[in-house]
Amino acid sequence: DADVTQTPRNRITKTGKRIMLECSQTKGHDRMYWYRQDPGLGLRLIYYSFDVKDINKGEISDGYSVSRQAQAKFSLSLESAIPNQTALYFCATSRTGDSYEQYFGPGTRLTVT
Amino acid sequence: KQEVTQIPAALSVPEGENLVLNCSFTDSAIYNLQWFRQDPGKGLTSLLLIQSSQREQTSGRLNASLDKSSGRSTLYIAASQPGDSATYLCAVIRDNYGQNFVFGPGTRLSVLP
Repeated sequence: DADVTQTPRNRITKTGKRIMLECSQTKGHDRMYWYRQDPGLGLRLIYYSFDVKDINKGEISDGYSVSRQAQAKFSLSLESAIPNQTALYFCATSRTGDSYEQYFGPGTRLTVT
Repeated sequence: KQEVTQIPAALSVPEGENLVLNCSFTDSAIYNLQWFRQDPGKGLTSLLLIQSSQREQTSGRLNASLDKSSGRSTLYIAASQPGDSATYLCAVIRDNYGQNFVFGPGTRLSVLP
């Protein structure tokens, strides 16, 4: 079984809809991250969390919110989706005090029409 | 602000060739550097992580080197195979709190049979 899983894997939604992307991990890591990937722009950090009570904004947090429901679960929400949020979204994990090596989920392809 | 570049953006080589992928970063004050592989539409797979105190890391046919003073890392792939075809990304970790990852745009590698 995959160590970092994301649901759904693909989603098409309409402008203005609220949508939630979910991430779960079995690696026992305390740190979790959400990134988006756009062609030509690389990966950009949206939010990150170092434990259940710690949430931090990344480079591009506007229009997004997150929830860390448990050490193993980290959800990303788009409150009112817009077309320029069409992208590939990745969840990643790492461990404090380690080398901070990151492990990625398989991604969610989101299309906002 | 840390910027990471990867040259070339795309590379095609015949099977069996040795090749080098380049990663450059503007701020030499990094903590770690990580190389990833990404297959089309898939997540990122960690290949190698080099801590700032190290000069190189090896895994099988892969060798990654780090020269902090010049702001460069290289990923050497020996005896390339068609299965090596993928996009290769590097990411630098700026501080020892593991807060700040900056990714390069990637090099798309095609190994021709």
